[in-house]
Amino acid sequence: DSGVTQTPKHLITATGQRVTLRCSPRSGDLSVYWYQQSLDQGLQFLIQYYNGEERAKGNILERFSAQQFPDLHSELNLSSLELGDSALYFCASSARQGAFDTQYFGPGTRLTVL
Amino acid sequence: GQQVMQIPQYQHVQEGEDFTTYCNSSTTLSNIQWYKQRPGGHPVFLIQLVKSGEVKKQKRLTFQFGEAKKNSSLHITATQTTDVGTYFCAGRNSGAGSYQLTFGKGTKLSVIP
Repeated sequence: DSGVTQTPKHLITATGQRVTLRCSPRSGDLSVYWYQQSLDQGLQFLIQYYNGEERAKGNILERFSAQQFPDLHSELNLSSLELGDSALYFCASSARQGAFDTQYFGPGTRLTVL
Repeated sequence: GQQVMQIPQYQHVQEGEDFTTYCNSSTTLSNIQWYKQRPGGHPVFLIQLVKSGEVKKQKRLTFQFGEAKKNSSLHITATQTTDVGTYFCAGRNSGAGSYQLTFGKGTKLSVIP
């Protein structure tokens, strides 16, 4: 158990809908990262927050947004969902945002868009 | 942007055989990390390499960081069924403010008992 929690574990929804994925980092970790993992694909970095502020953006679509709250939990909002958004979404956390920080991954949310 | 290429994409080995996965970056890295993802699981940190030419061992696993800090490898000696999973390398660019990890696509290892 990494100490990172993600809810829900599974999510099934229809095209055009909007969903929110939630992540609670390890106790004391200030950085949260979101990744998308499609079938047979690597981990695509989406976005990073550090202590409530956005710090880095990767290949995140404009239909997706995220935020980190004062209690450091984070939410990833996916809207106008398309079939191709079906994937595993992982949240990871690290103590700070140092160049040598290890990332601890949550169990992931499996999103299925029908 | 930074790209991290990993080969092979898949590897099937007989139990007891050795296994190696290679990682190459288009840019010089400040450090590289390796993660393992078991089937149905999430990535779990294995190790971090920081110095040019660094070699680290964890039991049957040997990790190397290239002299130019642009490539890395993971070698498993005498694979076991517990080694099954996808191995990812992840590199960080050298340079101020570059803390983002770029993951390779991973090597999926199957071990035939």
